This record gives sequence, C-alpha cells and structure tokens, in this order.
Amino acid sequence: DSGVTQTPKHLITATGQRVTLRCSPRSGDLSVYWYQQSLDQGLQFLIQYYNGEERAKGNILERFSAQQFPDLHSELNLSSLELGDSALYFCASSVEPAGGKYRGLETQYFGPGTRLLVL
Amino acid sequence: GQQLNQSPQSMFIQEGEDVSMNCTSSSIFNTWLWYKQDPGEGPVLLIALYKAGELTSNGRLTAQFGITRKDSFLNISASIPSDVGIYFCAGNSGGYQKVTFGTGTKLQVIP
Repeated sequence: DSGVTQTPKHLITATGQRVTLRCSPRSGDLSVYWYQQSLDQGLQFLIQYYNGEERAKGNILERFSAQQFPDLHSELNLSSLELGDSALYFCASSVEPAGGKYRGLETQYFGPGTRLLVL
Repeated sequence: GQQLNQSPQSMFIQEGEDVSMNCTSSSIFNTWLWYKQDPGEGPVLLIALYKAGELTSNGRLTAQFGITRKDSFLNISASIPSDVGIYFCAGNSGGYQKVTFGTGTKLQVIP
C-alpha cells in the first residue's frame, strides 16, 4: 500500500459524458501527479500540482482539467469523453526534497489507479 | 507523446535465471528510473539513477545509467516467481517532473 488513494476504482460511462476522478496523496506530500495508461500509448504524464498550484503540464488534452484543493487532494476532470479516453488513470504523490535540491522522480508513490471505460 | 524504446517487449524465463532488459532514447536524460507494475496496481519505484555511468543495486536488481545518457539497463539475478510483472523505465530530462515512460517489458517466470 503506497498510501495514495484513488476513487473510484472502476468507472463505466458513455461517450460525451463528464467524469471526475479523485486522488488523496500520502500524508505530508504536497505534490500530486496524474498519469494516463492505455494499451497503445503506455504511461503518459498528464499534469502536476504542488500545494494547490499547477507546476507542470504534460500530454493533457484540453477536454481534461485538474485541480488540487487546500486539503491537498486532487481531482481530474474528463469531459466530452471519447472511446479513446478509456484507460487506467493513476495519481502519484511526492514530497519535495529538502534544500530545494530537486533530483527527479524518486519520491513519487503511485496510487492503485482508476480504470475508466467509455462505451 | 514521446516514449522510450524498451526491449525486450516480453520475456519468459525459468526460475533462477538472470534477466536483462534495456531502455533507449533519442534524447539525453538527467535521471533514469525503473518501476515494476503488478496487475491492477500502480507502478512501484525499484531504482533511481542520477549520474551517467552510475551503477545501483536494490537486492537482486541492478541498474545502470548509460554513459551516453541515452540508455539504461536493468538486470535481475536469480529470478523468482514474484518477479512477474511489467517493468518500465522512465527518464527525466529536467524541469518539474516532465517524465517519459518506456513501453514496458512484460516478464513471466516459469517455476
């Protein structure tokens, strides 16, 4: 158990709909990251938030948006869903290293993921 | 999006055998990471590498940061059934967590 929780575990919806995925980071972690894992695209970084603010953006579609709330949980909103959005969505969290010596991804802990199926 | 080329894509090995897999990129990376993903779970970090030429071990796992900074290798010695899973490499070229993941190597261990 990584300490990162994600809900729901599974989600089935129809094209054109909108869904919200939720992530609670590990206690004390300020950063939250969202990833999409599909069969043909592998694991893709979507977006990162640090202490409520967007820090980095990856391959996130305009139909998708995210936010991090004051209690540090994060939500990923997916709208106008298409069949190709079916994938596993992972959230990860990390704590910033001391002294600002940012080294990379070593402190990221992944949640169990939300499996989204768009019919 | 960009992906790292990981090979082999899949492998079947006998329990007790050693395993090698690698990851190559057309870009230079400052950090290389290796993750393992079990079915239905999120990736779990195995080893992190920060310096060209660096060789780091974690139990039976050993990974190396290639000197060209465009590749990395992971070796698993004396494989056991619980090594089954998908192994991903990931590279970070700097900045805030902008990472590229490999395509994955699916490992099956035959008892």
